[in-house]
Amino acid sequence: DGGITQSPKYLFRKEGQNVTLSCEQNLNHDAMYWYRQDPGQGLRLIYYSQIVNDFQKGDIAEGYSVSREKKESFPLTVTSAQKNPTAFYLCASSIGTGPQYFGPGTRLTVL
Amino acid sequence: GESVGLHLPTLSVQEGDNSIINCAYSNSASDYFIWYKQESGKGPQFIIDIRSNMDKRQGQRVTVLLNKTVKHLSLQIAATQPGDSAVYFCAENVVQGAQKLVFGQGTRLTINP
Repeated sequence: DGGITQSPKYLFRKEGQNVTLSCEQNLNHDAMYWYRQDPGQGLRLIYYSQIVNDFQKGDIAEGYSVSREKKESFPLTVTSAQKNPTAFYLCASSIGTGPQYFGPGTRLTVL
Repeated sequence: GESVGLHLPTLSVQEGDNSIINCAYSNSASDYFIWYKQESGKGPQFIIDIRSNMDKRQGQRVTVLLNKTVKHLSLQIAATQPGDSAVYFCAENVVQGAQKLVFGQGTRLTINP
């Protein structure tokens, strides 16, 4: 997991609520990423950010929002517009053209 | 669009044998490939990477082979141990102005005693 932390480890959301997942890294990496993983499947990119105050949509950005106010932090908000939010959410970071390193993940369940 | 796939969803090997996990990719412009190991309930762990100007790279007990002619990637694990049991993902970096990884579905490796 390196120097990437995600919190909380487990999160429960009621329908209609927005929730925010935290991702922090102390690796001095410029780029950060959010992925979603459904059971038995690979990872799908939600949003990514290459530098502070800039971010781009990934393949499945609808119903999600992000911010990148600090280099170390890249929080993800799952909004009520995301109709099927139950999944395992993974944050990653990278520097230059090197590999992405992942955090331990947050498991989100809709009640 | 680009995609990364795997030949087999599951692989079962005897402890001590070598394991070979395969991956096919579709984007001939991809220049960087990564293998990750994911244990249950955890985030993916970086194993080894290779750039398109190479066809082989070795790490500790692992070797990655890249065949650009047939767009095929493989991960070889030598002397497989119980701790190698996990799901293995290959990821393809599609160069579209930013580092963007496309992941395959994953192969579950199980070790028989």
